[in-house]
Amino acid sequence: KAGVTQTPRYLIKTRGQQVTLSCSPISGHRSVSWYQQTPGQGLQFLFEYFSETQRNKGNFPGRFSGRQFSNSRSEMNVSTLELGDSALYLCASQSWSGRTGELFFGEGSRLTVL
Amino acid sequence: QKEVEQNSGPLSVPEGAIASLNCTYSDRVSQSFFWYRQYSGKSPELIMSIYSNGDKEDGRFTAQLNKASQYVSLLIRDSQPSDSATYLCAVTRGNNDMRFGAGTRLTVKP
Repeated sequence: KAGVTQTPRYLIKTRGQQVTLSCSPISGHRSVSWYQQTPGQGLQFLFEYFSETQRNKGNFPGRFSGRQFSNSRSEMNVSTLELGDSALYLCASQSWSGRTGELFFGEGSRLTVL
Repeated sequence: QKEVEQNSGPLSVPEGAIASLNCTYSDRVSQSFFWYRQYSGKSPELIMSIYSNGDKEDGRFTAQLNKASQYVSLLIRDSQPSDSATYLCAVTRGNNDMRFGAGTRLTVKP
């Protein structure tokens, strides 16, 4: 069974640009969550999607957005990049069993903003 | 106050000792509690989940939950150098909105 796949793995952008990151969850998993990880802040919750609907959202500005497609693949977008957006962006999927289950993480997309 | 707080460490224990990792959370309606392990340069992976007060054992790992004190802990018995990693405490209210602590870095010295 393939794991969670994130693309691209590494990318470099400049301030003011925008970026789109992609996540393909484990087959059959309908919930996809996104996290930002930095050395100072740890894992910060961005948002969670289930069946193409955003169910939960963390405390990030509107520059951070996401969506989920009918095949459960998800994308997140960051517009007007700032230096502080440099981070590892992790996507995680989970199956739905009526109770929050195990999160399966992808290897992440490492974004550097210059 | 952070939602999930952990001592950042580093915590250093000798091989074979018990490592004790602690976590407190602020939201009293939290329902589910997890410990994830993250090796350097890798993604987090789940090692324990606990949903009710008391202890839950899995091999060398024991998770302890005290909802009244809003406290979760992880004990690692017979610590091995391969246990050296960052341990992340995670909490959710049951709505798939999982919040993580900043993690405790554990080093097990041979």
